[in-house]
Amino acid sequence: DAGVIQSPRHEVTEMGQEVTLRCKPISGHNSLFWYRQTMMRGLELLIYFNNNVPIDDSGMPEDRFSAKMPNASFSTLKIQPSEPRDSAVYFCASSFEGFGETQYFGPGTRLLVL
Amino acid sequence: DQQVKQNSPSLSVQEGRISILNCDYTNSMFDYFLWYKKYPAEGPTFLISISSIKDKNEDGRFTVFLNKSAKHLSLHIVPSQPGDSAVYFCAAKWGGGNKLTFGTGTQLKVEL
Repeated sequence: DAGVIQSPRHEVTEMGQEVTLRCKPISGHNSLFWYRQTMMRGLELLIYFNNNVPIDDSGMPEDRFSAKMPNASFSTLKIQPSEPRDSAVYFCASSFEGFGETQYFGPGTRLLVL
Repeated sequence: DQQVKQNSPSLSVQEGRISILNCDYTNSMFDYFLWYKKYPAEGPTFLISISSIKDKNEDGRFTVFLNKSAKHLSLHIVPSQPGDSAVYFCAAKWGGGNKLTFGTGTQLKVEL
């Protein structure tokens, strides 16, 4: 299996622009997670889906952030409009709920908002 | 409010010695704890875990200890190797779901 796939790996954009991050989970996994990593707060859970349904979005910072999972093999995290404080590494992870607790992480998207 | 805390942002150890990484938590509902390891430009990878019904779990060079009364867990790496140099994240969960709460990480550097 290719593991969790994220794109793009790096994104540089200007403040005010829309940013879309993409994730393909491991085939057969039914839970998908979006995290943000910063020095100050470590790995923060933004939102997670189970069977394509958002279960907990309490970590989404504000209305500028939105996430979708239209099917079991694809999810997006969108920031509109982006701000410099959104600069971070964004990780997607997937797991099979009900079969162990291990989450498998993608390589991350490093976002820089100028 | 940081429910899982790793108070040491960095740790330096000599090759062959023991590395001890510490983690404290505040939520007494947590019943399962995990350690993840992260290399630069890669995502975190699962290393070892422990259930709250145990106080120790061992896997090769890695041992996790849990002290529920102190709400503290630690990861011991013996002997430490240069390839162990990475950021280590402590994580916790409760209630049987898959939601993990992570700490801020500790950068371990194993020197020759």
